[in-house]
Amino acid sequence: NAGVTQTPKFQVLKTGQSMTLQCAQDMNHEYMSWYRQDPGMGLRLIHYSVGAGITDQGEVPNGYNVSRSTTEDFPLRLLSAAPSQTSVYFCASSSLLRNTEAFFGQGTRLTVV
Amino acid sequence: GDSVTQMEGPVTLSEEAFLTINCTYTATGYPSLFWYVQYPGEGLQLLLKATKADDKGSNKGFEATYRKETTSFHLEKGSVQVSDSAVYFCALSDPNQAGTALIFGKGTTLSVSS
Repeated sequence: NAGVTQTPKFQVLKTGQSMTLQCAQDMNHEYMSWYRQDPGMGLRLIHYSVGAGITDQGEVPNGYNVSRSTTEDFPLRLLSAAPSQTSVYFCASSSLLRNTEAFFGQGTRLTVV
Repeated sequence: GDSVTQMEGPVTLSEEAFLTINCTYTATGYPSLFWYVQYPGEGLQLLLKATKADDKGSNKGFEATYRKETTSFHLEKGSVQVSDSAVYFCALSDPNQAGTALIFGKGTTLSVSS
């Protein structure tokens, strides 16, 4: 019963490097999203997807790309990391039914130096 | 746009004390309301929810009532335990739009000592 799996759990990048944060869910959920969590800011939506082949921007999309080629996977790409992207990143999934619960991964703690 | 405001933390309590964490919201229409909890080193998990006015969500001794007239969804527990130490997030979503993302408050850190 894996739920939402994020990898890696920790990552240190140098400014300008690129990387992909992986997110996979095994619940056949249509809706997937990425949030970043910063002290005193709560969780802010980066990108989301309502199904394979469909993605859209959230509140803070700059510097991040996403794709959704399958229902299960929703990777988040940092094209050129900046210190401002130091944060904890959470992936979440849910069904498209109204009022349903969102399931979260355990997070990826990213430090950009 | 829609928003959620939570009381600032941290909240520090002794075991068996009464807990209230205030949450108010601004939204067009009638959102669904949620409380999520984040234990140290973990992701968020749903604690309770309410989908219409006057609904009461409850779980693990926690309760919150959807108050449309005061646009509030305060979290309460009658007797907290050390194991309740965590960060609590109030959130809302638009039930009329399938797949709408959650809008979170900034979170309230609760520390319970024995």
